[in-house]
Amino acid sequence: KNQVEQSPQSLIILEGKNCTLQCNYTVSPFSNLRWYKQDTGRGPVSLTIMTFSENTKSNGRYTATLDADTKQSSLHITASQLSDSASYICVVSAILTGGGNKLTFGTGTQLKVEL
Amino acid sequence: DGGITQSPKYLFRKEGQNVTLSCEQNLNHDAMYWYRQDPGQGLRLIYYSQIVNDFQKGDIAEGYSVSREKKESFPLTVTSAQKNPTAFYLCASSISHTNTEAFFGQGTRLTVV
Repeated sequence: KNQVEQSPQSLIILEGKNCTLQCNYTVSPFSNLRWYKQDTGRGPVSLTIMTFSENTKSNGRYTATLDADTKQSSLHITASQLSDSASYICVVSAILTGGGNKLTFGTGTQLKVEL
Repeated sequence: DGGITQSPKYLFRKEGQNVTLSCEQNLNHDAMYWYRQDPGQGLRLIYYSQIVNDFQKGDIAEGYSVSREKKESFPLTVTSAQKNPTAFYLCASSISHTNTEAFFGQGTRLTVV
């Protein structure tokens, strides 16, 4: 069964500090992995996408890593801001027989940035 | 502005009533999706449509129905057969079903009273 597990479930950090969120998956056959940011009561917005051959990708203060051998990904947030407070969701795509993709969503890490 | 619009943002329904959630996109995307989000769970796929006049059941289709008469529109009906309909519903679209970049709407929170 395809699964995506994220840790920690929630996290509180002070503004300006860095943090790292973790994602472990058992999705197969692997197509790609995305990190989404979801503000409370809003739809998710894509931050990064990583394919099998990529091990690091940055988007501003967000840096994602992927280890396809251990099936782990991380999202590192640098110099956090209050606006970073949100849920961060790891989404892994599996290739379907006959074409198409199947997305498996993690439950998210709820990040709160405080003054 | 290009994007996906869901309406209404909040919806209240009495038990036993059907209710329809609207989803419109002007991104010219072929594929559209409906997900349900519950606390402590990942998004779960209800229905998806790869092209106009075609749609497929997702993982939790029971108690839901959809239509795709126009490329831009993919309404979701929550029927009285859905046992636990209170949830946050998200509509998404992608260029095609083989493209994994999904663009999400702002969601509709449905509450059964």
